[in-house]
Amino acid sequence: DAGVTQSPTHLIKTRGQQVTLRCSPISGHKSVSWYQQVLGQGPQFIFQYYEKEERGRGNFPDRFSARQFPNYSSELNVNALLLGDSALYLCASSSVASSYEQYFGPGTRLTVT
Amino acid sequence: KNQVEQSPQSLIILEGKNCTLQCNYTVSPFSNLRWYKQDTGRGPVSLTIMTFSENTKSNGRYTATLDADTKQSSLHITASQLSDSASYICVVSARASGGSYIPTFGRGTSLIVHP
Repeated sequence: DAGVTQSPTHLIKTRGQQVTLRCSPISGHKSVSWYQQVLGQGPQFIFQYYEKEERGRGNFPDRFSARQFPNYSSELNVNALLLGDSALYLCASSSVASSYEQYFGPGTRLTVT
Repeated sequence: KNQVEQSPQSLIILEGKNCTLQCNYTVSPFSNLRWYKQDTGRGPVSLTIMTFSENTKSNGRYTATLDADTKQSSLHITASQLSDSASYICVVSARASGGSYIPTFGRGTSLIVHP
């Protein structure tokens, strides 16, 4: 079985632009969570989605938004990019919303110049 | 504010030696504590998961302990190998409404194993 997949692997954007990151969970998993990991720090929780509904939100500005599709894949959108948004964006999936057994994808490295 | 503090920030040991990493947390209401191993530029991989009632959990050469009273956890690595070189992250989750969990990640301990 394929693990959690994310695309693209790397991305370079300019300040003020918008970006969309994609995540496909493990087959059968219905919950997807997004994290931002700045270099040298631990991941910070951004969103959790389960059955296409938002179940949790971290302390991030409204420039960050996400959605989950009927096939349980997910997109993370970031508008009006700032230099500080440069980070590794991680997606994790789990079988149910209440499961704390999360499986992480390889991440998308976003660089904002 | 929920916080997870890890120590030491970095650690260098010789291959074959043992080491212990520490995690202190202030997360409420506590649900579970996880240790992850993260190789540079890769996603974290789960090592152990412990709930309130568990005070020790092993996974091969990795053994985690949890003291829910003092809100401390440790990860002990036995007979270290070069492949153990990575960042080890402690994650403590709080129960949230709707049956979900809000995780708080520590900054991680960077472990380097030298031959």
